[in-house]
Amino acid sequence: QLLLQESGPGLVKPSETLSLTCTVSGGSISSDIFYWGWIRQPPGKGLEYIGTIYYTGSPYYNPSLQSRVTISVDTSRNQFSLRLMSVTAADTAVYYCARHRFYDDYGYPVNWFDPWGQGTLVTVSS
Amino acid sequence: QSALTQPPSASGSPGQSVTISCTGTSSDVGGYSYVSWYQQYPGKAPKVIIYEVDKRPSGVPDRFSGSKFGNTASLTVSGLQAEDEADYYCSSYSGFNTLVFGGGTKVTVL
Repeated sequence: QLLLQESGPGLVKPSETLSLTCTVSGGSISSDIFYWGWIRQPPGKGLEYIGTIYYTGSPYYNPSLQSRVTISVDTSRNQFSLRLMSVTAADTAVYYCARHRFYDDYGYPVNWFDPWGQGTLVTVSS
Repeated sequence: QSALTQPPSASGSPGQSVTISCTGTSSDVGGYSYVSWYQQYPGKAPKVIIYEVDKRPSGVPDRFSGSKFGNTASLTVSGLQAEDEADYYCSSYSGFNTLVFGGGTKVTVL
């Protein structure tokens, strides 16, 4: 059974960088058919896509966050990571990592996330 | 890139059906047949229940069905059960290797 677990600081100061890691267990992150994604959810609000990465290191980002986001992958540790720079209170959210079936075998963007990690709350406050 | 539009709430009595809409544009829902739906219980991570507009992952009851017409996708829950009370989110590919979620719909079983 594939499991994903987010880890990182639960409190980040304004203007600093948020850093989270997702550890994948029960399967290899070096999958030919799956990507690995980050999604966030502000308290009481809806989901927002952050970005996705393939195990070879090719990332895709939400255009609205692209200038502040970096997603990377470490296949030796079976982990992928999120860095969000210059955070503000608006970045306070539960951050989820998830396996992302972004493209099918024919290159069509089928786009679904499964499974998800349990999520981790990151609060931006001084 | 705007969020897809969903009604904030929907409700039905046990055994009834409820349909949730997800409206986008020709750049997302209308342009691609790659809409997925997620169910989320309070304090829990979302779970995919529909992908590629109308496909159900194994283990998801066939009471859940999806469809799409033009710029609007829909999720129908037939034979509502108490356990279906949750938040539901749609998502669509929106071109240029990115995607967008809907604002979410809270389903209440009366």
